[in-house]
Formats: sequence, C-alpha cells, structure tokens
Amino acid sequence: GEDVEQSLFLSVREGDSSVINCTYTDSSSTYLYWYKQEPGAGLQLLTYIFSNMDMKQDQRLTVLLNKKDKHLSLRIADTQTGDSAIYFCAESLSSGSARQLTFGSGTQLTVLP
Amino acid sequence: DTAVSQTPKYLVTQMGNDKSIKCEQNLGHDTMYWYKQDSKKFLKIMFSYNNKELIINETVPNRFSPKSPDKAHLNLHINSLELGDSAVYFCASKGGANTEAFFGQGTRLTVV
Repeated sequence: GEDVEQSLFLSVREGDSSVINCTYTDSSSTYLYWYKQEPGAGLQLLTYIFSNMDMKQDQRLTVLLNKKDKHLSLRIADTQTGDSAIYFCAESLSSGSARQLTFGSGTQLTVLP
Repeated sequence: DTAVSQTPKYLVTQMGNDKSIKCEQNLGHDTMYWYKQDSKKFLKIMFSYNNKELIINETVPNRFSPKSPDKAHLNLHINSLELGDSAVYFCASKGGANTEAFFGQGTRLTVV
C-alpha cells in the first residue's frame, strides 16, 4: 500500500476554509511538505513543517502535525477559485545516501463559486 | 531563469520507438530524480541519482534507462515505447538532506 495516504477529492465553496488531510507511515520523517499542482503545470512547494513542530502558519495556510498519529493537515482559509488544484503531501525518507520524497496520491481541491 | 528545465514539454510518438527526455538543473544540487505521474495523478519515484551515481531504482522496466553525464543533468531514455508508458514525467532536484525538491514543468508523453 501507499506510504503516504490522502483522500482523492475535496469540494468547498469560495470563501470557506479547506482542510486537506494526509497520513504517513515513516516515523523517522523529519520534514513533511505540501506541494500544489495546477492543471498542466509542475509541482510548486507551498509549505513544509519540521517534525518537532505542531503547527506552522503562513498567511492563509495552516499546517498541523500530529506526530503521534502520523497525521498532517493543510488548512486554507478563505479559499479562492485560484486555489483549485491538486495538493500533494510528501515525506522525506532516507534511501542510501539520498533522501527521497514520497508523495501521497494527491487531493483534487475544487472551489465552487 | 528556470531552476529545473525539461525538454520536450510534449512528446507524441508511436509504439516501439525509442525516445529521450532531457533534464537540467542550475541549482548546484547533488541529487536529481525522475518521477512518473499516471493518469490518476499518482506520483511515483522512478530513479534517483546523487552526484551522478544511481541511488534509487524502483521497479521500472529495464526499457527505461537514466543517464547522468554530470551533476546538473539527468536524462531519461526509453526504448521500445509501449502504450502504458503514456504519462507525465517529472524531473526534480534536491539540495541537502532536508530541503525542498524543485520540480521541472513535466514532459507529457503520449504513445500512440
């Protein structure tokens, strides 16, 4: 199965808050990331959190980390139509001399007017 | 000034052909990756190179062969293309152990 899991779809109304959830399995992950992919585009890093933090806030984005439950969430306040995209969480895993990013399946966020 | 650039952006080719996708990064990173994103948008790592040395080679058909002529380049060559190879291929590079990965814009490969 997947090492990083996300629900596939989320729809919200413009102006509401969106919460995208992610669970991961590797307790040795030191950094966890949220990437955004707009249609036809590459992946853009939105934010990240270090594993010794519980919360990180960056303008409209709030990341919550529950290390005990290995649960990560991304909250987008006042969601706009431009936030419609696929959101991937990722954990940084050690593999030999390199650290790789393992991605979740991505959550397609649709913002309705 | 593009950090990670891939060429071509789109590639349409017939089954059985051999094709290459090029990737270059100007960030001075030691590690480069190839990811495959399928039609369901799942992102799977294919290969990772660190300082031109192959580190990760996931379960990928041996028709796929990465080549790293230097630290700044990681090209992907695919032999005998099959319909199931149709996907978007992303190149990425990464600096230190716990830094973000920078992604290219992707190459949309369509095999007909």
